[in-house]
Amino acid sequence: EVQLVESGGGLVQPGGSLRLSCAASEFTFSNFWMHWVRQAPGKGLVWVSRINGDGGDTGYADSVRGRFTISRDNGKNTLYLQMNGLRAEDTALYYCARDVSVGLGSSPHYWGQGTLVTVSS
Amino acid sequence: QSALTQPPSASGSPGQSVTISCTGTSSDVGGYNYVSWYQQHPGKAPKLMIYEVTKRPSGVPDRFSGSKSGNTASLTVSGLQAEDEADYYCSSHSSSNNLGVFGTGTKVTVL
Repeated sequence: EVQLVESGGGLVQPGGSLRLSCAASEFTFSNFWMHWVRQAPGKGLVWVSRINGDGGDTGYADSVRGRFTISRDNGKNTLYLQMNGLRAEDTALYYCARDVSVGLGSSPHYWGQGTLVTVSS
Repeated sequence: QSALTQPPSASGSPGQSVTISCTGTSSDVGGYNYVSWYQQHPGKAPKLMIYEVTKRPSGVPDRFSGSKSGNTASLTVSGLQAEDEADYYCSSHSSSNNLGVFGTGTKVTVL
């Protein structure tokens, strides 16, 4: 069964940085688009970023472009999200997700349990 | 990019049907057949129920169905059951940022 385990969340001051990781297993990691989606407490889902299988194609939400960087290490089956210049409005549960099919990049299917990022002084 | 528009709430009695709309633009819902629907119970990760407008992942009951007309997509849940009570989100690929966009979410209540 597909497994996704996020880590790296925590409490950080405004302007600070965090790097989230997502360890993937039980599927051929390099074949799939991967996604980061966040959900602020009591709010809806927001697509943060996505990356294709070889890492050459990425997309970002306007609210994080220039501050966040998505990447992947296919040798380690791990997805990353480097978050710089964090703001209070970045406070959320961050989910890692795998796309539904090989080659597609528009339907996160398998989701981790999320890692909580809190930006506060 | 703006979130897709969904009604805040919908409800139905057990056994009835409920339909949720998801309205976007020609840059997202209307321009691509990449509309998905997610179910989220409190404290849980979202679950994919429909992708590519009408397709169901393995294990999703056929009580869940999707459709699209123009810039509006819809999710219909037939034969409502107590466990269908949850938040539902649509999503679509968007041409504006090489990413997707989620809907505002709809809370479905089973009366």
